[in-house]
Amino acid sequence: AQSVTQLDSQVPVFEEAPVELRCNYSSSVSVYLFWYVQYPNQGLQLLLKYLSGSTLVKGINGFEAEFNKSQTSFHLRKPSVHISDTAEYFCAGSSNTGKLIFGQGTTLQVKP
Amino acid sequence: GAVVSQHPSRVICKSGTSVKIECRSLDFQATTMFWYRQFPKQSLMLMATSNEGSKATYEQGVEKDKFLINHASLTLSTLTVTSAHPEDSSFYICSASREGLFYEQYFGPGTRLTVT
Repeated sequence: AQSVTQLDSQVPVFEEAPVELRCNYSSSVSVYLFWYVQYPNQGLQLLLKYLSGSTLVKGINGFEAEFNKSQTSFHLRKPSVHISDTAEYFCAGSSNTGKLIFGQGTTLQVKP
Repeated sequence: GAVVSQHPSRVICKSGTSVKIECRSLDFQATTMFWYRQFPKQSLMLMATSNEGSKATYEQGVEKDKFLINHASLTLSTLTVTSAHPEDSSFYICSASREGLFYEQYFGPGTRLTVT
């Protein structure tokens, strides 16, 4: 079955600390992978995407992710978080039908 | 570029009435649009995929007669919730993709539907 799994439902972290949000995908999901951020009562904003090429992908707001085919992972990282990064983060993969398959979401809570 | 809008952003309706939500691509032609539903603290659930000029393809378990989707032009898709009930209360999000780039979806800001 096609699936995308986010291993942590909540990640609390102090401001200016580094953070990693974990995402694993099933091998049957096409290797188009995405990270989205959702602020309360808003739609999704694309942080970054992996389509092909370099496995290290840089996105907006200082985020980056690394595509690891052997571990079927696409973890999101930021070296120093801000209070404003507090939000819900979704990892998604594109299936072979073009539909996006979303992970369950990870709530990033940045504490002062 | 690649901006998607939704209208209204919030709507409250009485049980038994119908409500229409619009999704527009403002600066590109969207050959495919997607409608999602999101419950509080949960992920997005795809409801249906619509291609311009064609009937929508609904996901398993989604009632076609209850959630009417129309994609009449390359910039507009509508979702009509017919005979709404309180359990239909949810956050509805649309997205759009360009021709040939089906894997890149641009999301609207969402519509909060509350059925009383």
